[in-house]
Amino acid sequence: EVQLVESGGGVIRPGGSLRLSCAASGFTFDDYGMNWVRQAPGKGLEWVSGISWNGGTTDYADSVKGRFTISRDNAKKSLYLQMNSLRAEDTALYHCARRAHDGNGFYYFLDFWGQGTVVTVSS
Amino acid sequence: DIQMTQSPSSLSASVGDRVTITCRASQSISSYLNWYQRKPGTVPKLLIYAASSLQSGVPSRFSGGGSGTDFTLTISSLQPEDFATYYCQQSYRTVFTFGQGTKLEIK
Repeated sequence: EVQLVESGGGVIRPGGSLRLSCAASGFTFDDYGMNWVRQAPGKGLEWVSGISWNGGTTDYADSVKGRFTISRDNAKKSLYLQMNSLRAEDTALYHCARRAHDGNGFYYFLDFWGQGTVVTVSS
Repeated sequence: DIQMTQSPSSLSASVGDRVTITCRASQSISSYLNWYQRKPGTVPKLLIYAASSLQSGVPSRFSGGGSGTDFTLTISSLQPEDFATYYCQQSYRTVFTFGQGTKLEIK
């Protein structure tokens, strides 16, 4: 059974840093790209960042570029999100999600999601 | 980045109704369009990928269509468990973006 379990959330002051982790199990972790998606209170889903299977390619939403860094450790089957210079607008539930593709490898989608970890940025 | 716009933002309907939600991309994305369902307290669930392919285990009353910039998600006969928020998401680029969501409520 595929499982993704996030941790590392908490309450942090504006300007602070936090590192989120996502522990994966039930699948071959290094066969898949991984992503972070967040949902702020009362708002919709916002894609945050993605990383390829080997960490060689990373992508970021404009809202977090230069402040957040995504990484992975395939030996530990873990995904990370280092969040620096946090702002009130970063307050959200953060999910990690597996990026899968169709049988032909053309179309990507997020097929499994963790329950998320809550980040609250407040003074 | 590619912007995704859904309409309507909210929708009231009754059990048994046929419902269609639309999603428009700010540029052509071919068929690189996915649909998700989110109910309160649960994680997002993939319904449709590649614009029209039904994810395994998803009921056949859900269907997707469109290509280029205009897409639809149709529920042929609403069931009580379908009342939720629906999101489109483009995967044309690996910088993904979601639509703002459509909340489907019981009339």
